[in-house]
Amino acid sequence: GAVVSQHPSRVICKSGTSVKIECRSLDFQATTMFWYRQFPKQSLMLMATSNEGSKATYEQGVEKDKFLINHASLTLSTLTVTSAHPEDSSFYICSARAPHNEQFFGPGTRLTVL
Amino acid sequence: DQQVKQNSPSLSVQEGRISILNCDYTNSMFDYFLWYKKYPAEGPTFLISISSIKDKNEDGRFTVFLNKSAKHLSLHIVPSQPGDSAVYFCAASGRNRDDKIIFGKGTRLHILP
Repeated sequence: GAVVSQHPSRVICKSGTSVKIECRSLDFQATTMFWYRQFPKQSLMLMATSNEGSKATYEQGVEKDKFLINHASLTLSTLTVTSAHPEDSSFYICSARAPHNEQFFGPGTRLTVL
Repeated sequence: DQQVKQNSPSLSVQEGRISILNCDYTNSMFDYFLWYKKYPAEGPTFLISISSIKDKNEDGRFTVFLNKSAKHLSLHIVPSQPGDSAVYFCAASGRNRDDKIIFGKGTRLHILP
């Protein structure tokens, strides 16, 4: 299947700092990428839909000024958690929609905010 | 309101037996259903899907059954193997290309030796 990578896989940061997570589709172009968040023993919660060349669409309850999404190219979307706080600690997963509408997920990024 | 429900948080099955994971949905506009498998600290991997025009789709040891009138689908794994131990997410989306995929909370499957 298609490959989606995420970087970094794990990050620990201090409260108040910003963290950028990259999501790349390695062997296909993705006009649409998605960012999810997963809490322990919970489902994947869609945070936002990232469309190449346009503004992201955020789900209800997700602060767009806190979770900045940029989809500057057909193979790269970034999620920046600004002024991170301990409650932002979570597992963040991206996915990319392939040309035939399948969605492939990245391996996830574990964010720990101290 | 949860549109995709997996009511069993966990399931234990003996190796070699059949594993049956269940999923219910509430939105009649859902047109496409998927199952994903997820290991700890990894992203989900696509397992199998079914379109609403079908009631069964089979791929090797994995079969998904869809009962539209009951708004219910199930994933059958037979025979179950140790490597099948993981969390399985049921997901659904509408027929339009831009429709989001809605996930259930997942069922943790333990395959017992």
